[in-house]
Amino acid sequence: SQQGEEDPQALSIQEGENATMNCSYKTSINNLQWYRQNSGRGLVHLILIRSNEREKHSGRLRVTLDTSKKSSSLLITASRAADTASYFCATDAWTGFQKLVFGTGTRLLVSP
Amino acid sequence: EAGVAQSPRYKIIEKRQSVAFWCNPISGHATLYWYQQILGQGPKLLIQFQNNGVVDDSQLPKDRFSAERLKGVDSTLKIQPAKLEDSAVYLCASSLFLGDRIETQYFGPGTRLLVL
Repeated sequence: SQQGEEDPQALSIQEGENATMNCSYKTSINNLQWYRQNSGRGLVHLILIRSNEREKHSGRLRVTLDTSKKSSSLLITASRAADTASYFCATDAWTGFQKLVFGTGTRLLVSP
Repeated sequence: EAGVAQSPRYKIIEKRQSVAFWCNPISGHATLYWYQQILGQGPKLLIQFQNNGVVDDSQLPKDRFSAERLKGVDSTLKIQPAKLEDSAVYLCASSLFLGDRIETQYFGPGTRLLVL
């Protein structure tokens, strides 16, 4: 079953614009991770935010986490055509071992 | 550092046939995962190994799917017999188990299966 629901399902922007994707989840988590998937490829880990953190930055990426609302957002600033991909949030409840439950994904298209 | 290797990359079979996928994780990674990703959805965990032991196979359709990780390194995932709804990308991932509750999974390129 999918833990996270992502919004929007698809997003189309121009290069240089910012892209914001949202993720909502249902149960308590230990951490939340964002992954990118280029067409026909495997997933690449982007960033991890722990449940006791509210915001985290990595390069052009900014992630926020609101555990009271069970939601997270991923902001990509100054987007590039190479950012075109599907983005997934994944929650980890950590039950002795990591178990990632992925959301449904946001398809991002960045046009030159 | 070499990444997670998977083979084959593509497979087309007819329903009721059997198929096997192979995965070689990153060297030293104790944890290995198999995911099923149906078109338009996020990956769904099928089975998770810690070394050569299964720690979670709750979402594995055990009547037709099986997986093993002999010697705690390579792994194979088998489907027998295949159904139309098994058409998906099968992703293998591995992670370095540190027991600190923070792990990054590294994914292979996946095997795209089409069942006709």
